[in-house]
Amino acid sequence: EIVLTQSPGTLSLSPGERATLSCRASQSVSSSYLAWYQQKPGQAPRLLIYGASSRATGIPDRFSGSGSGTDFTLTISRLEPEDFAVYYCQQYGSSPRFGQGTKVEIK
Amino acid sequence: QLQLQESGSGLVKPSQTLSLTCAVSGGSISSGGYSWSWIRQPPGKGLEWIGYIYHSGSTYYNPSLKSRVTISVDRSKNQFSLKLSSVTAADTAVYYCARESGYGLDYWGQGTLVTVSS
Repeated sequence: EIVLTQSPGTLSLSPGERATLSCRASQSVSSSYLAWYQQKPGQAPRLLIYGASSRATGIPDRFSGSGSGTDFTLTISRLEPEDFAVYYCQQYGSSPRFGQGTKVEIK
Repeated sequence: QLQLQESGSGLVKPSQTLSLTCAVSGGSISSGGYSWSWIRQPPGKGLEWIGYIYHSGSTYYNPSLKSRVTISVDRSKNQFSLKLSSVTAADTAVYYCARESGYGLDYWGQGTLVTVSS
C-alpha cells in the first residue's frame, strides 16, 4: 500500500514569497496519476495540478507541479493572499489515496 | 457546468447505516470515461478516499472500509449513492462526492456533515 507523506506540515510565509511543498511516496507513483488540491476553510478541495505537472482549468500560472517516481513538488512562485490554505497531494486512478496535507499560513 | 450535490441524513446513530446521495446535474453520470467518488474529512483532519464507481457500474473501495461500504448508481435519476454500515463516532465527517475524469477529481460537491451520535 502506497503512503503519501507531505512536508512540511505547516509552512509560514509572507505574501510575495515562494512556497515549496513536498509529497513523497513510499513506492513509485505514476506521474500521470499525481494531483494537487487546495482547500480553504469550509470549502471543498479544488483541483490545482494533475498528471504531476499540468495545471487544471483556470489555475493561475504561479502554481506549478513537478516530480516523478517517489518525489513530487508543488511550487507557488509568489504567494497571493488567497493562496493561504491547506494543500493535499493525491494519487488517483487505481487505489486512490491522499497525503495528510500541508498548511500554508501567513507569517 | 457540472454540479454535484450531496444529500442525506446528517445524524446517524452508532451501529446504524449512513446513507448519502450525490445528485449530478449539467452532465450525464452514464458518460464514459469518468468515475464517481466519495471522499470524507473528519473535523479538523485530512481527506480520506472512500471509494468510487465507474460509469460501467464497477466499484473500487478503500480496503480499510471495504467491508462496510457500498456505492451504487441510479442512472434514471442521474445520481450515485453511498452506504456505510455499522457506523461509529470515528465515521463523523464531512462527506464529499466528486468526479474523476482521469485528470484528477475535477468536480466536487459542497460536502455534507454527518455526525454519528446517539
